Amino acid sequence: DAGVIQSPRHEVTEMGQEVTLRCKPISGHNSLFWYRQTMMRGLELLIYFNNNVPIDDSGMPEDRFSAKMPNASFSTLKIQPSEPRDSAVYFCASSGLGGETQYFGPGTRLLVL
Amino acid sequence: SQKIEQNSEALNIQEGKTATLTCNYTNYSPAYLQWYRQDPGRGPVFLLLIRENEKEKRKERLKVTFDTTLKQSLFHITASQPADSATYLCAITLYNNNDMRFGAGTRLTVKP
Repeated sequence: DAGVIQSPRHEVTEMGQEVTLRCKPISGHNSLFWYRQTMMRGLELLIYFNNNVPIDDSGMPEDRFSAKMPNASFSTLKIQPSEPRDSAVYFCASSGLGGETQYFGPGTRLLVL
Repeated sequence: SQKIEQNSEALNIQEGKTATLTCNYTNYSPAYLQWYRQDPGRGPVFLLLIRENEKEKRKERLKVTFDTTLKQSLFHITASQPADSATYLCAITLYNNNDMRFGAGTRLTVKP
């Protein structure tokens, strides 16, 4: 199993640009989570999906952030427009049915200049 | 307010000793608590899960305890090795909810 796959691994962009992060969960997993990690705030849950349906997006910082899961094998996290304070590592994780344990991807390191 | 606190940002110990990391929480009623390991530049990796009705769990050199009265979990690594050097995160999951809330982590360094 390839594990959770995220792309790109690194992204450098300028303030105001749109950023799209991508995630492919582990095949057969039905829950998907997006996290953001910074030195100041640690690992924060942004949003999670069960069976492709968003369940809790209370962690999404503001309207500039949006997430979709059009099918069981793909999710995107979009930031539009991006700001320097969005610079962080963004992780995607997935879990299976009954899913207590989450499996994390390698993360996308985002730098907004 | 709800908080998850890990005892220290950094812990340095000598190889062969037991490392003990602490996770305290307030204003949560967790269904279970998990410990993850994170290496630089990588995502967290699951280590152990303990449920609210369990007192202790072991896996090889790892041991986790869970005291719901004290609202505390302890994570022990016995016979520590330099390869155990990493950041260790505790995470709480609530009933009827499968999202997790993480502590800030403790960076463990095991010196040879």
